[in-house]
Amino acid sequence: ELKVEQNPLFLSMQEGKNYTIYCNYSTTSDRLYWYRQDPGKSLESLFVLLSNGAVKQEGRLMASLDTKARLSTLHITAAVHDLSATYFCAVAGKYNNAGNMLTFGGGTRLMVKP
Amino acid sequence: ETGVTQSPTHLIKTRGQQVTLRCSSQSGHNTVSWYQQALGQGPQFIFQYYREEENGRGNFPPRFSGLQFPNYSSELNVNALELDDSALYLCASSLPSGITGELFFGEGSRLTVL
Repeated sequence: ELKVEQNPLFLSMQEGKNYTIYCNYSTTSDRLYWYRQDPGKSLESLFVLLSNGAVKQEGRLMASLDTKARLSTLHITAAVHDLSATYFCAVAGKYNNAGNMLTFGGGTRLMVKP
Repeated sequence: ETGVTQSPTHLIKTRGQQVTLRCSSQSGHNTVSWYQQALGQGPQFIFQYYREEENGRGNFPPRFSGLQFPNYSSELNVNALELDDSALYLCASSLPSGITGELFFGEGSRLTVL
C-alpha cells in the first residue's frame, strides 16, 4: 500500500526566510504533484513532476523529484505572506489509460508572518 | 473553457440518510475522480470513472457508489450516512494519463452529518 508522508506538518516562518517541505513516499512512482489549498477552498495545482530529477519553478516556489530516494521537495525562497496556505504532495501509485489515482500526504500548513 | 463544477456546495444530513453529490467535468475531460477530505487531513481517493464505468476504487465501503453520464458528468452517492462521513467531497477531472495525468479539482461539496 502506497503511503505518502510530508514534513513538517506545520510551519511558521518569517517573511523573507527560506524553507523546504519534504514529501516521502513508500513505493515506486514517477508521477508526483504538488497542490495548494487555501482555507475552505479547493486544491490548486502547483507543479507536475513526471521524471527522476525533474525540477520546476514558479515564482518563490521550486519543486524537485528524486524517484530513487522516493522523495520530493518544495522549496520556498524569501517567503511572503501570500504563500500562507496548506501544501499537499500527491503521488500516482496507480495509473492507466484512464488517469491517475492519487495518494495524498497529510499536508503542510504554512503560515508566513510579517 | 469551464472548470470543474460541483453541487451542492454545502449540505447537512442526519445519520442514516442518503446523499447525492454532483460534478460536471472540465471541458474535454473524460475521466472523473472523487476524493474525500476530512477536516485537517489530505484528500483520500474514493473512486474513478472512465467511459461511464468505475475504473478504480480506494478503501471505501460499497455504500459509496457513483455514476458517470455520457456527457462525462458524475454523481457520488452515499447511503446510510455515518457521522464520520462528514467531510469535503472533491471531484476532479482529467484527460487520459497519456499526457500529464494532472487532476483539476472542483470547489467541493461540504457534507455535515448530524
